[in-house]
Amino acid sequence: VQLVQSGAEVKMPGDSLKISCQGSGYTFNNFWIGWVRQMPGKGLEWMGILHPGDSDTRYSPSFQGQVTISADKSINTAYMYLSSLKASDTAMYFCVRQGWPWGPVDYWGQGSLVTVS
Amino acid sequence: QSVLTQPPSVSGAPGQRVTISCTGSSSNLGAGYDVHWYQQLPGKVPTLLIDSNNGRPSGVPDRFSGSKSGTSASLAITGLQAEDEADYYCQSYDTTVRASFVVFGGGTKLTVL
Repeated sequence: VQLVQSGAEVKMPGDSLKISCQGSGYTFNNFWIGWVRQMPGKGLEWMGILHPGDSDTRYSPSFQGQVTISADKSINTAYMYLSSLKASDTAMYFCVRQGWPWGPVDYWGQGSLVTVS
Repeated sequence: QSVLTQPPSVSGAPGQRVTISCTGSSSNLGAGYDVHWYQQLPGKVPTLLIDSNNGRPSGVPDRFSGSKSGTSASLAITGLQAEDEADYYCQSYDTTVRASFVVFGGGTKLTVL
């Protein structure tokens, strides 16, 4: 199982961001894909989760309205779209795999570093 | 302010036992949702340490154990080793009238003295 994320990005305040996460080594449609933010020197923050099979999507109240999660089943890829970027959105963003929303994260992507400046 | 509360830091000498608490509420741990624990070594991606309150994934030493009771959970590490120095996070699920979502604790930095 692998989750491979897109590379580092440098953005300006007010820009939008789209990060991709391609899953391989398992049946993509059968597992939830979530997104986790980690600001520099800080803890893990869960942003949202999507089931590629039926597009059931759930967002953290902390990110509702700013983040959109989607997936393209044909290429086993999930996306996280973040709008109206601020300097405080500078962080490492991880995609993760879960068997169900209240289950553990069993696989993590390598992380995508986003710098807003 | 995280939904799950962890102490910011704990420390112990090599060979000692340390515990890390994770305190929730009636909408997450108290509602019966499991707690999972992760270890994040410096500069690394987090890894699953304890699954579903007290399960150990393959490859995790039995020095690590977890427990849950009511609205609280704990991670215990016995025979502390220098390589255990890391950040530790608990994770569960929270359900309110408006939304259901995954929650993490704020993280605990373990220092091996």
